[in-house]
Amino acid sequence: ELKVEQNPLFLSMQEGKNYTIYCNYSTTSDRLYWYRQDPGKSLESLFVLLSNGAVKQEGRLMASLDTKARLSTLHITAAVHDLSATYFCAVGLSGYALNFGKGTSLLVTP
Amino acid sequence: KAGVTQTPRYLIKTRGQQVTLSCSPISGHRSVSWYQQTPGQGLQFLFEYFSETQRNKGNFPGRFSGRQFSNSRSEMNVSTLELGDSALYLCASSGSGADTQYFGPGTRLTVL
Repeated sequence: ELKVEQNPLFLSMQEGKNYTIYCNYSTTSDRLYWYRQDPGKSLESLFVLLSNGAVKQEGRLMASLDTKARLSTLHITAAVHDLSATYFCAVGLSGYALNFGKGTSLLVTP
Repeated sequence: KAGVTQTPRYLIKTRGQQVTLSCSPISGHRSVSWYQQTPGQGLQFLFEYFSETQRNKGNFPGRFSGRQFSNSRSEMNVSTLELGDSALYLCASSGSGADTQYFGPGTRLTVL
């Protein structure tokens, strides 16, 4: 059974600081996704990582994938309040089925 | 391009009833997946349909079923509702290749 573990599950950080969210998974997969969810909303796609060493950046967020270590990271640079949300990583199974982590609830405070 | 749409957005049912949820994917997308989101269990995969065929299925009881029509619209049905079925049900659609999945707004089901 594929397990996806995120840590930390809760993160409170000050504006302007940097931090990293980790996503470990237990079985080989060629697809790793990051999503954002705001309270009461649906999931918004952030990144799709398809190969070992893949790195993608969008604004203050940067995601990377190490398939050999079965690890993906989501790095937050100089956090701002608008980044407060829950972040999920998900690993691709067969077809388009995804196995999600529990999510990291991020709160950015002044 | 219109996004993924789901209807209804909110539903209240009582135990023992059944419910049907609908999902219309992004135009041209042939894959539709369904997920259940609860505070306790998080996001769990229900099933995936591709070109009217169920391609993958998660670990849910047989009370949960789905289908996909020739226009790629999909429905999921839950029979004999239980209190634990209260959740946000999310539908996602995908195009060809290893594209991301685009999620709809969800249907929030409350079982009383």
